Amino acid sequence: SQQGEEDPQALSIQEGENATMNCSYKTSINNLQWYRQNSGRGLVHLILIRSNEREKHSGRLRVTLDTSKKSSSLLITASRAADTASYFCATVMSGAGSYQLTFGKGTKLSVIP
Amino acid sequence: DSGVTQTPKHLITATGQRVTLRCSPRSGDLSVYWYQQSLDQGLQFLIQYYNGEERAKGNILERFSAQQFPDLHSELNLSSLELGDSALYFCASSVTGGFNQPQHFGDGTRLSIL
Repeated sequence: SQQGEEDPQALSIQEGENATMNCSYKTSINNLQWYRQNSGRGLVHLILIRSNEREKHSGRLRVTLDTSKKSSSLLITASRAADTASYFCATVMSGAGSYQLTFGKGTKLSVIP
Repeated sequence: DSGVTQTPKHLITATGQRVTLRCSPRSGDLSVYWYQQSLDQGLQFLIQYYNGEERAKGNILERFSAQQFPDLHSELNLSSLELGDSALYFCASSVTGGFNQPQHFGDGTRLSIL
């Protein structure tokens, strides 16, 4: 079952623009992670934000977390054609006996040169 | 390159058959995870191992089994295959399987059932 749901399902922007993807989840979490998947490849870990953090940056990536709304957003600034990929949020639920990731269905980002 | 190696990259077989997917985790990682990715179900967690022991089970069918060997590589066995088992199967690894550790994914095995 999906814990996280990304929005939008697909996003098309011009190179240089910013891209914002949102993720909502249902239950309390330990942390939320964002992953990127290029077509036909494995997932690449981008950033992890803990439940007691509100914002985190990594290069051109900015992630926010609002636990009261059970939502997160991923902002990619100054997008490049190489950012074209699917982006997934994944949660680790709190209180779970193990720490597997529960993924959303992803946002497909297309950056047009 | 994530450091996680999965073989084979592609597998084509028929219904009713059995296959074995192999995963070598990143050097130093003790925990291995298996995921199934399909168009309709998305990415589903199947099973996790830590240092040879099963740690967690997700949506894994009884026809599927896995193990992690003393050298830490892992195998996922799929038997009595059905058309619906066609999917991408990913292995991921992390250092100890702790909840604040990122997971590192291989490039997957694409399984096609004819």
